Amino acid sequence: SQTIHQWPATLVQPVGSPLSLECTVEGTSNPNLYWYRQAAGRGLQLLFYSVGIGQISSEVPQNLSASRPQDRQFILSSKKLLLSDSGFYLCAWSARRANSPLHFGNGTRLTVT
Amino acid sequence: KNEVEQSPQNLTAQEGEFITINCSYSVGISALHWLQQHPGGGIVSLFMLSSGKKKHGRLIATINIQEKHSSLHITASHPRDSAVYICAVSDPGNQFYFGTGTSLTVIP
Repeated sequence: SQTIHQWPATLVQPVGSPLSLECTVEGTSNPNLYWYRQAAGRGLQLLFYSVGIGQISSEVPQNLSASRPQDRQFILSSKKLLLSDSGFYLCAWSARRANSPLHFGNGTRLTVT
Repeated sequence: KNEVEQSPQNLTAQEGEFITINCSYSVGISALHWLQQHPGGGIVSLFMLSSGKKKHGRLIATINIQEKHSSLHITASHPRDSAVYICAVSDPGNQFYFGTGTSLTVIP
């Protein structure tokens, strides 16, 4: 069966520090991969999605970046965090075919102080 | 205007009550999804449907493609149903659009 792992679960980082959140998927190949951010009281905001290794699409201009070094690995990074980067970050995957459900990781709660 | 609108935003019910959450969308879709997010934050997929109705236990999801509307019903609600319910739609390119969620609290 397919599983998705996301870590860490919580993170407290000072302003200006770097960020690396990692997500891996098991039990499937060639998945679409997504990074979402959920702010309090707001819907899920798509940050990045990837349809293959090295292929990253950015939906929102920001100081975050994403990379997909391997087929089932998706990394969210920042060189210098801002206070506004605080939030709940979710990794997700879906199969490449249409009408495929979205499977979420457990999320990372990031607090920038 | 959001592509996906949900109502109500917040809902409080007594245990045993019948609950309905509504979702309207404005984009062309391949499928509509109902998701559940518990206080810990993890999100699970409840339903994916493109027509008609689906049932899983006490949960029922319906969709009217012509009216671009879906409902999620919970029969005989229970405190463990307390969660945020999110409506989402996916387009033919498998891009997803999300509602802002309905926070449900079921009181014993």
